[in-house]
Amino acid sequence: DAGVTQSPTHLIKTRGQQVTLRCSPKSGHDTVSWYQQALGQGPQFIFQYYEEEERQRGNFPDRFSGHQFPNYSSELNVNALLLGDSALYLCASSQGPRNTIYFGEGSWLTVV
Amino acid sequence: AQSVSQHNHHVILSEAASLELGCNYSYGGTVNLFWYVQYPGQHLQLLLKYFSGDPLVKGIKGFEAEFIKSKFSFNLRKPSVQWSDTAEYFCASFPGANNLFFGTGTRLTVIP
Repeated sequence: DAGVTQSPTHLIKTRGQQVTLRCSPKSGHDTVSWYQQALGQGPQFIFQYYEEEERQRGNFPDRFSGHQFPNYSSELNVNALLLGDSALYLCASSQGPRNTIYFGEGSWLTVV
Repeated sequence: AQSVSQHNHHVILSEAASLELGCNYSYGGTVNLFWYVQYPGQHLQLLLKYFSGDPLVKGIKGFEAEFIKSKFSFNLRKPSVQWSDTAEYFCASFPGANNLFFGTGTRLTVIP
């Protein structure tokens, strides 16, 4: 039973570029959330997807967008990358929006 | 507004010492509290959670936490730490809406 899987593991982008990160939820889970964890900080909630719709959003600009597919997998897109977007991006899944959350290992994004 | 604060940024202990990591939350309503652990190079793992009921919560790997409503605290404890407990520990809360609010984390280093 695979846990939450994310790709890519690491990537480097140039300021101004766009990036897409991918997430497959744990088997049986239908809800996906994304978090940003900057170095030395705790994870911060970006948004949550359930039934292919964005259900909740944290305090992140519109440059951060996402999508959930019918198979419950999800993408996080960040446009017009800034140096400050460099962080570990965590995907988390749960069975329904209010149950225990399980995290993936994250995608390390470095913006240069 | 919901927030979680962890007072200790870095704790260094010798093996067999007792551990207590502080966590305080600010939220007047129903609150659900969690402790997550992040071992070096690994994903966030749930140690324990409190939703309601017995305020003393037992988790995995010998950890426990006590919810003290009057003090808005949910401190993590372990009577005797091991070298393998070296990790980053995060306290988190969510008001039932499944967007976790994380503290800034406490790095625990256990010296053999």
